[in-house]
Amino acid sequence: DIQMAQSPSSLSVSVGGRVTITCRASQTISSYLNWYQQKPGKAPKLLIYAATHLQTGVPSRFSGSGSGTDFTLTISSLQPEDFATYYCQQTSSVPLTFGGGTKVEIK
Amino acid sequence: QVQLRESGPGLVKPSQTLSLTCTVSGGSINSGNYYWNWIRQPAGKGLEWIGRIYRSGNTNYSPSLKSRVTMSVDTSKNQFSLELSSVTGADTAVYYCARGVGAIIGTVYNYYGMDVWGQGTTVTVSS
Repeated sequence: DIQMAQSPSSLSVSVGGRVTITCRASQTISSYLNWYQQKPGKAPKLLIYAATHLQTGVPSRFSGSGSGTDFTLTISSLQPEDFATYYCQQTSSVPLTFGGGTKVEIK
Repeated sequence: QVQLRESGPGLVKPSQTLSLTCTVSGGSINSGNYYWNWIRQPAGKGLEWIGRIYRSGNTNYSPSLKSRVTMSVDTSKNQFSLELSSVTGADTAVYYCARGVGAIIGTVYNYYGMDVWGQGTTVTVSS
């Protein structure tokens, strides 16, 4: 199985602040890396697919970068509605696997 | 737009079989390059992929659950289903169904993210 190591596990950020979350795969996954946002009691929402592609309807303050084994999700200016847990996921090979999640909290 | 909705018992006894159905509305399960997934999330924990099924009926399962999982698709009803046998308390979780997006580029099928999710259904395993 491909392990997805996500960091940090949590962070506190002020509104307007910049957020960077990293995800490292245990082996190369090309660009088969997706990012999701999950709010309490809700299903995950796709933000970024194929490492860098913004899902339709997602604000442009979200961006993704990376390829191979190292990936980054950046939120350029955190808004109140962005406080949530974020997960990376690889779709390079079965079993599809998720990172452990990063909880973004209000500072 | 396409919507997914999970249905099934919220309480299952240990050693019995968990059965869930995902109904697809607003679009056909037969159209497009999609794969149909089950994912679960124990309370307060992360996401675990259970497996996927294609409209053809072909499946891929997580090795950790493979011996207990069966997925099926009913294109006439626009539904796909999950069965998980011999359940224990460790199977207590919110279960989600989700649509995965694929694309054929040349001869390669590329798997992208899961763009539509059901709201999730809580399944508790308890006697």
